[in-house]
This record gives sequence, C-alpha cells and structure tokens, in this order.
Amino acid sequence: GAGVSQSPRYKVAKRGQDVALRCDPISGHVSLFWYQQALGQGPEFLTYFQNEAQLDKSGLPSDRFFAERPEGSVSTLKIQRTQQEDSAVYLCASSYGGYQPQHFGDGTRLSIL
Amino acid sequence: GQQLNQSPQSMFIQEGEDVSMNCTSSSIFNTWLWYKQDPGEGPVLLIALYKAGELTSNGRLTAQFGITRKDSFLNISASIPSDVGIYFCAGPPSTGGGNKLTFGTGTQLKVEL
Repeated sequence: GAGVSQSPRYKVAKRGQDVALRCDPISGHVSLFWYQQALGQGPEFLTYFQNEAQLDKSGLPSDRFFAERPEGSVSTLKIQRTQQEDSAVYLCASSYGGYQPQHFGDGTRLSIL
Repeated sequence: GQQLNQSPQSMFIQEGEDVSMNCTSSSIFNTWLWYKQDPGEGPVLLIALYKAGELTSNGRLTAQFGITRKDSFLNISASIPSDVGIYFCAGPPSTGGGNKLTFGTGTQLKVEL
C-alpha cells in the first residue's frame, strides 16, 4: 500500500509481558515518528528517527520503552515489562524530512490487562 | 506534555451549516497543520500552513495561519455527515524541539441530519 502501515492493529498483553509494535513507513520517507495517544487526547510525541539514526527520544516515558530503525526503513517500538498505564494507541508517522507534513498510520491499540 | 488549546471542545451542527474552530498557543509556531481523525484510524492531514497570515483552502475547508503565529483557524463550509470526527491542530514549536509535533486538545464535530 501507499500509506504508513502498522501492525498489529490490536494487541492485548498481560501486565509484565514485553510487546513489539511494527511500523512500515511510506517508501522514500526518511523521517519516522512514534506518538502515543491516550483515550480522548491528542497524540503525544515519543521518539524520532532520521533514516536509521534516533535523533530525539525525549518523549519516551521510561527506560522500558525502546525504539529502533536499523536499516532506515521499518521501525519497531518495544515496551518491556508492560504496565496498565501503557494502554493507549501507538501511532507511527513518516515524512520526507525537514518540516514536510507527517502522514500517520492507523495505529496499534495496546491494552494491558 | 504541552498541548495546544482548541475550541470548541465539541460541537453539534445541522447538515449544511458552516463550522468554525480555532487553536491557540502560548508559544510561536512556524507551521500549522490541521488533521482529522475518525474512530479507529490515524490522523489524516487536511491542510498545512507555513506562513503567518496565510489562508489556504482544500475543497470546503479553509484554514488560516494567525498573524501573531500563536493561533490558527479552520472553517468548514456546508457541512455533510462525513465531516463527523475529531479535528486536531498541530505544529512543531519554533522554540527548539525539531520537527516533532505538538497536538491540540481536539474539537469533536457531530452533524445532525
């Protein structure tokens, strides 16, 4: 497809489990962003990659959150030892870089029981 | 985290009516973006504004970048049922932070047939 693809669409995990969320950006987009969206709120920034380099991870809420983009294309957001407060929609966005508009995927809805 | 203030928070309108919503910030923005989000989907870019005072249209949508660079407005003319959804303003603040987006609190639009 032509858009940003995220998988899985839904993920249910027990508290304490590790989860991995995948993002496949639009082809040719060098910039990739992860956002967290709580119910009824706007998305909030987590981390940003330019190609394979993670240039900003100031929004990651704790050291349980880790993101990577090893080949400058697909990215994975990993959450270790999940907690109930990690329940949210995780959105991925990509752009051509600079201040070009970001295009979003449909997100992964994570529920921690 | 920091969010932009949007008003109104929600609105009920009759089909065919015009709609206005706005977004304000305490800090200056160099770019304003307007997104629409439907349930279970990611935000979809509607309009991008890059210059103070700029007025841009996309079909029935018109958005303006405020002269003070601290606000933006979105107007929808002759609303139709598919306009239902949540509208977010967003932008990268000019005071550092690169191109990660700060999102508004959202305006939920409901259309009565």
